[in-house]
Amino acid sequence: AQKVTQAQTEISVVEKEDVTLDCVYETRDTTYYLFWYKQPPSGELVFLIRRNSFDEQNEISGRYSWNFQKSTSSFNFTITASQVVDSAVYFCALSEGGNQFYFGTGTSLTVIP
Amino acid sequence: DTAVSQTPKYLVTQMGNDKSIKCEQNLGHDTMYWYKQDSKKFLKIMFSYNNKELIINETVPNRFSPKSPDKAHLNLHINSLELGDSAVYFCASSHRIYEKLFFGSGTQLSVL
Repeated sequence: AQKVTQAQTEISVVEKEDVTLDCVYETRDTTYYLFWYKQPPSGELVFLIRRNSFDEQNEISGRYSWNFQKSTSSFNFTITASQVVDSAVYFCALSEGGNQFYFGTGTSLTVIP
Repeated sequence: DTAVSQTPKYLVTQMGNDKSIKCEQNLGHDTMYWYKQDSKKFLKIMFSYNNKELIINETVPNRFSPKSPDKAHLNLHINSLELGDSAVYFCASSHRIYEKLFFGSGTQLSVL
């Protein structure tokens, strides 16, 4: 079974629209961490955020915000006023410890100018 | 200084050849990884080493052999390359469990 599910394979939005990327995870551990990574067309993997299982506060960083809800096992990522530079593949990941990271299958976001 | 560096960036080779990808991290991390990203962008862990000791060895053909001469280096040797080995291979490191992964820039392997 997939531990991290990103149901949206591809999303296209017009510049300045808001977009939310969904991430649903599965774990029986009480301590775990969730991550988002961005992979722009250039190919590198860029770390965006890390959140532990005990901190359900939403986080905002500029145009980026993250909504963590343990009740629904979700860790969604919203980009406000999207820009062309936001076009990338976005990965959600889960770390349960044991040096194992579980990545979702990624959501490819295209922002149309 | 690049935190996690891997070489080469591009590798084009014929089927049946043997090739190596090198990875070095200067972050002082204890754990290093190899990930494979296929054409559909799916990231799959291959190996993980902690202080030169193999701790994760996913279902990977025996043709793939990691080697960690010290905790700053984790190389990947691939024997008898096959067409299906074509992918991007990422090296990564982390300080401790639960910490974020620092990725290298990837090696695009093309087997012809």
